[in-house]
Amino acid sequence: DIQMTQSPSTLSASVGDRVTITCRASQSISSWLAWYQQKPGKAPKLLIYDASSLESGVPSRFSGSGSGTEFTLTISSLQPDDFATYYCQQYNSYGTFGQGTKVEIK
Amino acid sequence: EVQLVQSGAEVKKPGESLKISCKGSGYSFTSYWIGWVRQMPGKGLEWMGIIYPGDSDTRYSPSFQGQVTISADKSISTAYLQWSSLKASDTAMYYCANYGDYSEYFQHWGQGTLVTVSS
Repeated sequence: DIQMTQSPSTLSASVGDRVTITCRASQSISSWLAWYQQKPGKAPKLLIYDASSLESGVPSRFSGSGSGTEFTLTISSLQPDDFATYYCQQYNSYGTFGQGTKVEIK
Repeated sequence: EVQLVQSGAEVKKPGESLKISCKGSGYSFTSYWIGWVRQMPGKGLEWMGIIYPGDSDTRYSPSFQGQVTISADKSISTAYLQWSSLKASDTAMYYCANYGDYSEYFQHWGQGTLVTVSS
């Protein structure tokens, strides 16, 4: 099984901050990685697919990068609507999610 | 507009059976894989398995193989997740989601079905 490890688990930040979340795969997954945002009581929402492709309708302040085993999600200027939990997911072999990163208000 | 609409919340006792549903609309239901994701209370997302409604080809995560059954009825554009004998540890929110246009990420999601198993 491919394991996905996100860091940090929790991140405290302020509106306007640049935020970076890291996701590491236990083996190479090429660029088969997605990022999702989940708010309390809601279904996850796709943000990024194929490591760096922005889903339609997602603000351009979100970006993804990486390949192989190391990936990052960056929010260039954190907005009030961005406080949520973020998950990475590999889909190179079946699908495995990271454990999540909660972005909190500082 | 693509929509995945899931059946309502369920409260069951241990040992009971259950089948929850996910109805797709606004796209070609038979042409996209559809999967199920578990989220236990206060925890993260777990990929359970997927089905291709066009031919009912089904794949399971090793963690869920033998524990649940995924099926689909393409005549009514509906996918299912079922248990033959529920356990308290099956208490969770279950989401259906379909694959994207370009590769195997989950692009559209249902609203979730809360399953509570308690004696």
